[in-house]
Amino acid sequence: EPEVTQTPSHQVTQMGQEVILRCVPISNHLYFYWYRQILGQKVEFLVSFYNNEISEKSEIFDDQFSVERPDGSNFTLKIRSTKLEDSAMYFCASSGEFNYGYTFGSGTRLTVV
Amino acid sequence: QKEVEQDPGPLSVPEGAIVSLNCTYSNSAFQYFMWYRQYSRKGPELLMYTYSSGNKEDGRFTAQVDKSSKYISLFIRDSQPSDSATYLCAMSDAGNNRKLIWGLGTSLAVNP
Repeated sequence: EPEVTQTPSHQVTQMGQEVILRCVPISNHLYFYWYRQILGQKVEFLVSFYNNEISEKSEIFDDQFSVERPDGSNFTLKIRSTKLEDSAMYFCASSGEFNYGYTFGSGTRLTVV
Repeated sequence: QKEVEQDPGPLSVPEGAIVSLNCTYSNSAFQYFMWYRQYSRKGPELLMYTYSSGNKEDGRFTAQVDKSSKYISLFIRDSQPSDSATYLCAMSDAGNNRKLIWGLGTSLAVNP
């Protein structure tokens, strides 16, 4: 069964450092997303991406965040200057053109120290 | 009022029981309703996906949507210990961006 792959599974970084979280969505999917989940809290929408551009972003997704689809297969989330409160599980997801049901990756656990 | 409310539990049932999980929501624009299962430190896994009102059945799982009451349910029949997980409801309006709004999740333990 097709799956969404995320790397790394766990990343520890120092406050103020840049991190790049990587995702390989399902190959024939057209919609791509990043969500995050702080321990004990709801899953939160960060950004959606369609047709090579951001289609919607949340208030969380400020100037410190950016997304790219550099080569037609990978989908990355960059956080330029990490803060302690960025510590969370970050999930990448993708969905097909006619199906609203997303497929999620296993997530990257980001720890900012 | 929060957009999506879900009782976090925990809910503990004996093996073989029927489990009922529920969410309420406030935004009448929601059209797509999903149930995800999440094991500890893993990504959400799509269980059921329903458009608008009505019932949908898949094996031991039944999803119900009542848009007039803004209430959705997931029923699990003949529950198994392997069903022990957190169950999250999520929903979206019919817009192009497909942004999901999530409940907090209900923690379920099925005891052998």
